[in-house]
Amino acid sequence: QVQLQESGPGLVKPSETLSLTCTVSGGSINNYYWSWIRRPPGKGLEWIGFISYSGSTNYNPSLKSRVTISVDPSKNHFSLKLSSMTAADTAVYYCARVPPGRLYYFDYWGQGTLVTVSS
Amino acid sequence: QTVVTQEPSFSVSPGGTVTLTCGLNSGSVSTNYYPSWYQQTPGQAPRTLIYSTNTRSSGVPDRFSGSILGNKAALTITGAQADDESDYYCVLCMGSAIWVFGGGTKLTVL
Repeated sequence: QVQLQESGPGLVKPSETLSLTCTVSGGSINNYYWSWIRRPPGKGLEWIGFISYSGSTNYNPSLKSRVTISVDPSKNHFSLKLSSMTAADTAVYYCARVPPGRLYYFDYWGQGTLVTVSS
Repeated sequence: QTVVTQEPSFSVSPGGTVTLTCGLNSGSVSTNYYPSWYQQTPGQAPRTLIYSTNTRSSGVPDRFSGSILGNKAALTITGAQADDESDYYCVLCMGSAIWVFGGGTKLTVL
C-alpha cells in the first residue's frame, strides 16, 4: 500500500521560505507523477504544482513566481519550496500522487501538514 | 482566469439522492477536462471518489457516480447516508498537468 507523508516546519515567519518534503513508502517514486495541494483555513483546496519523476514541472500561475518543486528519486521523496511567505499562505499542505497515463487525477494523498505563517 | 464553479452548499435527506455540479466560468465541462471528485471531512485528507468523469476509485461504493450533465460535470449520491456529510471538491485538468479545483460544496445530510 502506497503511503505519502509530509514533513516540515509547522511555523514559518513572514517573508521566509517554506520547505516541505513528501516521503513515499510502499512504492517507488519512479514512473509516477506528484503534486502539492493546500487548503487554507475556511477555504477550499488549491493546486500548487506538479512534478514528474524525471523532474519536469508545472505550477499554479498564481503561485508560479514563488514555487519550486523538486524530486529526489534516490530518497524516494519530492519537495516543495514556497518563498516570501505571508499569512495568506497559512494552510494544510498535502502531497498527492498522480498515476501515469491520461487519467489526470490524484489517487493517493498524504495526511497533510499544517503550516502557520506568523512572527 | 479559469474559475471552476460548485454550489457552496447543498442539503439532502437521509436515503435521498443529490447531484452536485462542477462548471466553468466560461465554456462547458467535457470529458476532455478529466473531471475528478474528492470527499473531505474535517481533519482528514481528501478521499478520491471519481476520476475521468465517471470511474469510481477503488473501494468507493456504487452510490457515488459521476457524469456530464449538460455543460457541467456532476457527482450523484444515491441513498445518502449520515457519513456522506462532507465537503466535496471537483477538479478539472486544464491542460497537460495543470489543475483547477472548484470551491467545494458543503453537503449536509438531514
